[in-house]
Amino acid sequence: GESVGLHLPTLSVQEGDNSIINCAYSNSASDYFIWYKQESGKGPQFIIDIRSNMDKRQGQRVTVLLNKTVKHLSLQIAATQPGDSAVYFCAENPFYGGSQGNLIFGKGTKLSVKP
Amino acid sequence: SQTIHQWPATLVQPVGSPLSLECTVEGTSNPNLYWYRQAAGRGLQLLFYSVGIGQISSEVPQNLSASRPQDRQFILSSKKLLLSDSGFYLCAWSSPGQGIYGYTFGSGTRLTVV
Repeated sequence: GESVGLHLPTLSVQEGDNSIINCAYSNSASDYFIWYKQESGKGPQFIIDIRSNMDKRQGQRVTVLLNKTVKHLSLQIAATQPGDSAVYFCAENPFYGGSQGNLIFGKGTKLSVKP
Repeated sequence: SQTIHQWPATLVQPVGSPLSLECTVEGTSNPNLYWYRQAAGRGLQLLFYSVGIGQISSEVPQNLSASRPQDRQFILSSKKLLLSDSGFYLCAWSSPGQGIYGYTFGSGTRLTVV
């Protein structure tokens, strides 16, 4: 389930470095995954998604990697910038393909970029 | 294109007062709609979701209720607010019937109960 009562883990990186945010998902039947970025005081925004028939997908400065064997998802941000400072959530959809399952969100990771 | 509107952006209410937060979606029909709450520095807690007009599913028993009087309107209510109702409330939509499985979130309402 959702770990809504836990404080968010924090990742601190130097500006210009690459960031890797990890997420362990729970349901082996999940076949659609999303990463969201939430800036302070705003709603979460879609970054990138990936289907289970892929193990890697790239966007602009972001890459999502999926390892279904160990149920692990990661988000890589290249050349991290101060504007990347935010909380990042992963989400899984256990019933992609038409069924009514709701997204299951991870607990989130706070990314802090040092200038 | 689809848009989601949520208001008000901030709200300060006394304990025991009623609450009504509204969310509307434009540019799509028969969306799934969701209400989430987020405590400061915490994760997302699903409160309610709706797959159609008048259909509400509650995820967490509490002092809040939800209604969906129109296809693209979702309302979060309370008859008497508690201090513990303070938080950041987010509305979201998806459209599995159109192959849109990810959620699009509104800008949120910061509720402070005093």
